[in-house]
Amino acid sequence: DGGITQSPKYLFRKEGQNVTLSCEQNLNHDAMYWYRQDPGQGLRLIYYSQIVNDFQKGDIAEGYSVSREKKESFPLTVTSAQKNPTAFYLCASSSRTSTTPDTQYFGPGTRLTVL
Amino acid sequence: AQKVTQAQTEISVVEKEDVTLDCVYETRDTTYYLFWYKQPPSGELVFLIRRNSFDEQNEISGRYSWNFQKSTSSFNFTITASQVVDSAVYFCALSPGPGYSTLTFGKGTMLLVSP
Repeated sequence: DGGITQSPKYLFRKEGQNVTLSCEQNLNHDAMYWYRQDPGQGLRLIYYSQIVNDFQKGDIAEGYSVSREKKESFPLTVTSAQKNPTAFYLCASSSRTSTTPDTQYFGPGTRLTVL
Repeated sequence: AQKVTQAQTEISVVEKEDVTLDCVYETRDTTYYLFWYKQPPSGELVFLIRRNSFDEQNEISGRYSWNFQKSTSSFNFTITASQVVDSAVYFCALSPGPGYSTLTFGKGTMLLVSP
């Protein structure tokens, strides 16, 4: 089945550690995105990538890093510089065209807790 | 700057009641797209509908209907004869145009449908 997978589903991290969240898609989508969701809040964009080897910062990129070495994969690293990393992280992808709207489809999410 | 406001933080209804979720947006773009997503307790965002700014025709899909009014910058979502399975957080989102573009999300409305 085509879709977006995220792993792990739950992740626990000690303060001062970097952790990497995985996001893979087999939809052949060009663009991929990372969002952060806090309780009672909407989704806030962390990073996005339109093509391989290129990515842009979103609204809250500080303390995070990404890579896009393959079209199917867009891992997110939460670094020790992120002051409050406990949150629910959602990955999305979309097919980039010039004439149709860019609907984003989401993965199941990773819940990160800092101990 | 774009902005999406979902003023209703939480709504509680009894099964079979009709319920309307409000969404008000702000944008300076003449071409834009509006979306609704559903987030069930599992966490994954499920795409419900996409609407472009040139199409003000209301849409109905089963028990779901959407009322887009450019004059009031609103894109409201109505669930008819609500069911327990409709319990979720619903997000309204806005993007500036076709092709690649980022989404601006509202903070979401939590709908609780009790039997």
